[in-house]
Amino acid sequence: GAVVSQHPSWVICKSGTSVKIECRSLDFQATTMFWYRQFPKQSLMLMATSNEGSKATYEQGVEKDKFLINHASLTLSTLTVTSAHPEDSSFYICSATDYGYTFGSGTRLTVV
Amino acid sequence: GDSVTQMEGPVTLSEEAFLTINCTYTATGYPSLFWYVQYPGEGLQLLLKATKADDKGSNKGFEATYRKETTSFHLEKGSVQVSDSAVYFCALSPNSGNTPLVFGKGTRLSVIA
Repeated sequence: GAVVSQHPSWVICKSGTSVKIECRSLDFQATTMFWYRQFPKQSLMLMATSNEGSKATYEQGVEKDKFLINHASLTLSTLTVTSAHPEDSSFYICSATDYGYTFGSGTRLTVV
Repeated sequence: GDSVTQMEGPVTLSEEAFLTINCTYTATGYPSLFWYVQYPGEGLQLLLKATKADDKGSNKGFEATYRKETTSFHLEKGSVQVSDSAVYFCALSPNSGNTPLVFGKGTRLSVIA
């Protein structure tokens, strides 16, 4: 079946630094990927839709300059959290579509 | 817009009890419906899905039937196990191109031995 690899699974960084999260579709090509953020004991909040070769579409209230999304190939999308602050600490999950929706295993980001 | 409403938890059951998690939706057109499961610290795994009215999705003893007349997709399992403890999300896809899933708020299930 379709597999989406998300890396890293967890990361701790200092305030003010940037962190990159990768999302790869391993056995299919994904023209569209989605990035979600999940707060503790809450549902997934869609951050942006990433389309290969074009700019990402951000949801209202999501800072595009803070959460940089790049979808340079049909199998890779990246989310970079720039100048991270403690309030950016969260669980980030990507999803890719082929004939269905496949999710990565998530990245736990802790900003100290 | 499209939306999904599912019963809020947490739900606590004893092992071998019957499980029902209610899910209703609002959508224009003919969405596909999904149940996803999330174990602690992990991403979402597809549990089952249904793409049209009266379809029944099933997997690992879980079942859900797409009921268009009641706009519902309730999740059921006849006999839960401790290993079923997780958060369950009901979701819909509007089936209009590469659009994101619309999620319910999730229901946390705890099964005790």
